[in-house]
Amino acid sequence: DAGVIQSPRHEVTEMGQEVTLRCKPISGHNSLFWYRQTMMRGLELLIYFNNNVPIDDSGMPEDRFSAKMPNASFSTLKIQPSEPRDSAVYFCASRRDRLPQHFGDGTRLSIL
Amino acid sequence: QKEVEQNSGPLSVPEGAIASLNCTYSDRGSQSFFWYRQYSGKSPELIMFIYSNGDKEDGRFTAQLNKASQYVSLLIRDSQPSDSATYLCACDYGSSNTGKLIFGQGTTLQVKP
Repeated sequence: DAGVIQSPRHEVTEMGQEVTLRCKPISGHNSLFWYRQTMMRGLELLIYFNNNVPIDDSGMPEDRFSAKMPNASFSTLKIQPSEPRDSAVYFCASRRDRLPQHFGDGTRLSIL
Repeated sequence: QKEVEQNSGPLSVPEGAIASLNCTYSDRGSQSFFWYRQYSGKSPELIMFIYSNGDKEDGRFTAQLNKASQYVSLLIRDSQPSDSATYLCACDYGSSNTGKLIFGQGTTLQVKP
């Protein structure tokens, strides 16, 4: 079975540019989660969706961050404009009902 | 502030020994607890989950939960060099298994041949 698929795997861009991260959850999973991992703050939940509806975005750091889930098989996390402090590894995870979450391979983002 | 605390380590054990990883949490309402393993440069991988007080065993891994003490642990028996990784403890925030996980900073385990 295919796992959670994230793209791109690596992204390097200049400060001020728009960044879009993409995620395809495991087929049949109805919840999707976006996380950010840094050395300083560890792994933090940014936002999660249930049945494509955003449930809790309290972890989104600023208005520069936005996330959408237009259908059950696709989600995006957008940063506009990007700043160097946004550099981190961004993970997407999904789960079915109340079962444990499974993570994608992540996107390593570097903002110069 | 809901918190999950882990000793960052590194915890070093010889091959074949038992590794004991510990975690405390502050949210008394949490009902679901998870252990993820993360190799350097890789994504977190689910190892164990536990919902009830007591022990849960899966192969070489045993998760232990004590809700009264707000304490979760992971035991790895017959540790192997391939177990060397960072182990992340996570609690589901609140009492409804929402999936809103709070992660600890992780404990680095080193298993020496």
